[in-house]
Amino acid sequence: DTEVTQTPKHLVMGMTNKKSLKCEQHMGHRAMYWYKQKAKKPPELMFVYSYEKLSINESVPSRFSPECPNSSLLNLHLHALQPEDSALYLCASSQIGSVADTQYFGPGTRLTVL
Amino acid sequence: GEDVEQSLFLSVREGDSSVINCTYTDSSSTYLYWYKQEPGAGLQLLTYIFSNMDMKQDQRLTVLLNKKDKHLSLRIADTQTGDSAIYFCAEGRSGGYNKLIFGAGTRLAVHP
Repeated sequence: DTEVTQTPKHLVMGMTNKKSLKCEQHMGHRAMYWYKQKAKKPPELMFVYSYEKLSINESVPSRFSPECPNSSLLNLHLHALQPEDSALYLCASSQIGSVADTQYFGPGTRLTVL
Repeated sequence: GEDVEQSLFLSVREGDSSVINCTYTDSSSTYLYWYKQEPGAGLQLLTYIFSNMDMKQDQRLTVLLNKKDKHLSLRIADTQTGDSAIYFCAEGRSGGYNKLIFGAGTRLAVHP
């Protein structure tokens, strides 16, 4: 099983709303990632969690707040977003220290900020 | 630098072979990956190659790596309409988590 699931599939929110994106994997991976992808661009790394601890924050604005409650779950809390934050948000997971540390991606959440 | 470069567009006839090219700059990269993204979907891992390999074949897919020139290619044999998608190459270094550096993606269009 190489499945990463993400909910919701689509999300529309106003600039004053608070919402959360969820990601789940049951592959026993101990690294989890959030990426942002704008149209016709490659994914851009936002955050990396390693053993449930935040390892990388790629200078992401504080209106994005990640959380890793356990080794299978990764959340991204959203608050006071801007229209330019509209994008596809992808979650990924990988082993740590294995042969290829291959990242497996979820289907993404399409976020629209009005 | 950490640049990964790909041509942006490729058009092929159904049944022909497609070759998507990629160049990277970091000679310390351990693995190189090919991902496929269909419209509105996430990234699907197609294949990867270890940096000390020259070639890897997996069914219709052949990956060639020229480490001296830092050139990677993906050949898709007998290309089908279902292969139409964006293909990203990415370089990564293992050891702990794996930070991927993606190319801009090549849009493959397959026509009858």
